Amino acid sequence: SQQGEEDPQALSIQEGENATMNCSYKTSINNLQWYRQNSGRGLVHLILIRSNEREKHSGRLRVTLDTSKKSSSLLITASRAADTASYFCATDTSTGRRALTFGSGTRLQVQP
Amino acid sequence: DAGVTQSPTHLIKTRGQQVTLRCSPKSGHDTVSWYQQALGQGPQFIFQYYEEEERQRGNFPDRFSGHQFPNYSSELNVNALLLGDSALYLCASSPGTGEAFFGQGTRLTVV
Repeated sequence: SQQGEEDPQALSIQEGENATMNCSYKTSINNLQWYRQNSGRGLVHLILIRSNEREKHSGRLRVTLDTSKKSSSLLITASRAADTASYFCATDTSTGRRALTFGSGTRLQVQP
Repeated sequence: DAGVTQSPTHLIKTRGQQVTLRCSPKSGHDTVSWYQQALGQGPQFIFQYYEEEERQRGNFPDRFSGHQFPNYSSELNVNALLLGDSALYLCASSPGTGEAFFGQGTRLTVV
């Protein structure tokens, strides 16, 4: 079963606009990660936020985590056509080696 | 330094057949995890290997089995293939409790 659920399922924006994707999860976590996937190929790790963190930045990416609401958001600022991809949140409930539980993803289309 | 490599890239099998997928982890990574991703869905955790043993397993039947070799590479075996096993199979490697890196996947089609 899916631990996380992304919202919206699909998002279409113009280049230069910001894109916000949300993720909700069900159980307590140790950390939450966001991944990008281009055209059904491998997953690229974007950012990890730990359960004791509230916000994290990496380049044009900003991730927030609200453990009380069991939710996270990924903001991509000044989007580019190359950002077109599917984005997944993944939760890790283990304290040991990573066994990730993924959501169903948000398909982002950035129009040039 | 090569990343995570998977083979083959694409595969077509007939219902009832058996298939073996292979994964070579990133250098220095001792943990390999396998995921199944159906079209339009997120990846589902199948199982994880380190020290040549299955350590964690997701909700998959015994038809799915695996192996890890002394060089940390891994195989995923699926017996008695069903049409529903058609999916992208992803391998991820990590150095112990470190971050997971994914391969490009094997696209399995069962006809």
